[in-house]
Amino acid sequence: AQTVTQSQPEMSVQEAETVTLSCTYDTSESDYYLFWYKQPPSRQMILVIRQEAYKQQNATENRFSVNFQKAAKSFSLKISDSQLGDAAMYFCAVGGSNYKLTFGKGTLLTVNP
Amino acid sequence: NAGVTQTPKFQVLKTGQSMTLQCAQDMNHEYMSWYRQDPGMGLRLIHYSVGAGITDQGEVPNGYNVSRSTTEDFPLRLLSAAPSQTSVYFCASSYVSGSSYNSPLHFGNGTRLTVT
Repeated sequence: AQTVTQSQPEMSVQEAETVTLSCTYDTSESDYYLFWYKQPPSRQMILVIRQEAYKQQNATENRFSVNFQKAAKSFSLKISDSQLGDAAMYFCAVGGSNYKLTFGKGTLLTVNP
Repeated sequence: NAGVTQTPKFQVLKTGQSMTLQCAQDMNHEYMSWYRQDPGMGLRLIHYSVGAGITDQGEVPNGYNVSRSTTEDFPLRLLSAAPSQTSVYFCASSYVSGSSYNSPLHFGNGTRLTVT
């Protein structure tokens, strides 16, 4: 079974600053993928970033980057130059060969002007 | 391109009533799934399908049925609604590539269901 733990129910950041959201996971799979999704107040789920576990290089997407520590089973999300539009619930997820994508409970990010 | 379309957006049911949440996608995705989202619980997988005629249970399947007669549609049926099924329901789809789950999910806009 896969598990995902997001230990920070809520986080806040000042506009233009950097924030890191934590995620740890557990899986018995050797081939798996990790995702961060964003859910703004509109309720729409939006993919932020994806990481292949077999790749050592950390994924980046503009202001969003991950710190993937495979041995520690850690997959944190760093948001640089935070913007008001980044305010949302953020979910970490892991998927493997059983086609079941498991989500964490989420971190609510507030961006202060 | 409509993506993933869920209907209805809101629904109120009485305990014991049945209903079907509709989900359709126009991206020719093999994989479709249903999640429920409850406060403090994240998203939990109810049922999923990797192709027409193939369905399987997720983490919280009790009280729900699914079928996949076409690639495009994946309805979720509540046979006898209970207050514990009050939740926001999301349908999601993606391509299936290789043997691992690796394609990002495309989500519908969700259905808010209240069971009284």
